[in-house]
Amino acid sequence: AQTVTQSQPEMSVQEAETVTLSCTYDTSENNYYLFWYKQPPSRQMILVIRQEAYKQQNATENRFSVNFQKAAKSFSLKISDSQLGDTAMYFCAFMMPPGNQFYFGTGTSLTVIP
Amino acid sequence: DAGVIQSPRHEVTEMGQEVTLRCKPISGHDYLFWYRQTMMRGLELLIYFNNNVPIDDSGMPEDRFSAKMPNASFSTLKIQPSEPRDSAVYFCASSLGRPEPNEKLFFGSGTQLSVL
Repeated sequence: AQTVTQSQPEMSVQEAETVTLSCTYDTSENNYYLFWYKQPPSRQMILVIRQEAYKQQNATENRFSVNFQKAAKSFSLKISDSQLGDTAMYFCAFMMPPGNQFYFGTGTSLTVIP
Repeated sequence: DAGVIQSPRHEVTEMGQEVTLRCKPISGHDYLFWYRQTMMRGLELLIYFNNNVPIDDSGMPEDRFSAKMPNASFSTLKIQPSEPRDSAVYFCASSLGRPEPNEKLFFGSGTQLSVL
């Protein structure tokens, strides 16, 4: 079975600072995808960034970037220049074809402090 | 497309009652997933369907839970009888199910279930 672990239940960061959220996963597969989803208080689930396991280059999306360490099975999310709108729950997720089932961690609640 | 549509958004019921949650996936999506979100366990995959067929229901907590997908545009998650520990947010999600670079999961807005 695939497992996703987020060891930081809560984090906070000052506005404009940088914060890193941790995620580790466990799988014996070689072909898979990793995601970070954001859930603001509205409860909506928003895709932040995705990474294909076969790509060595770390994905970036504006202020969001990942540090993907395949051998260590680690997939951390870095948020630069934190903004108040980044306050949300962040979920790390693992998806493996062909079934395409997504497995999520327990989430990290991030608060950006003005 | 309006996205994944779930109803109701909130449901309050009494212990022992039957609860039915509804979901309309995005048209053309081959996969449909039901998740349960709690503070303790995060997002748990309950069951998922491929082309209306249940593929993996190993996450369904017990026999009180059942899910159906009678056609490509509708799915239900039923709890009978409901218990207070079933209180959670239930999400439905759908995806294309193809190994494309942009494959991702589209979520509904969730149903907040409270069992008193």
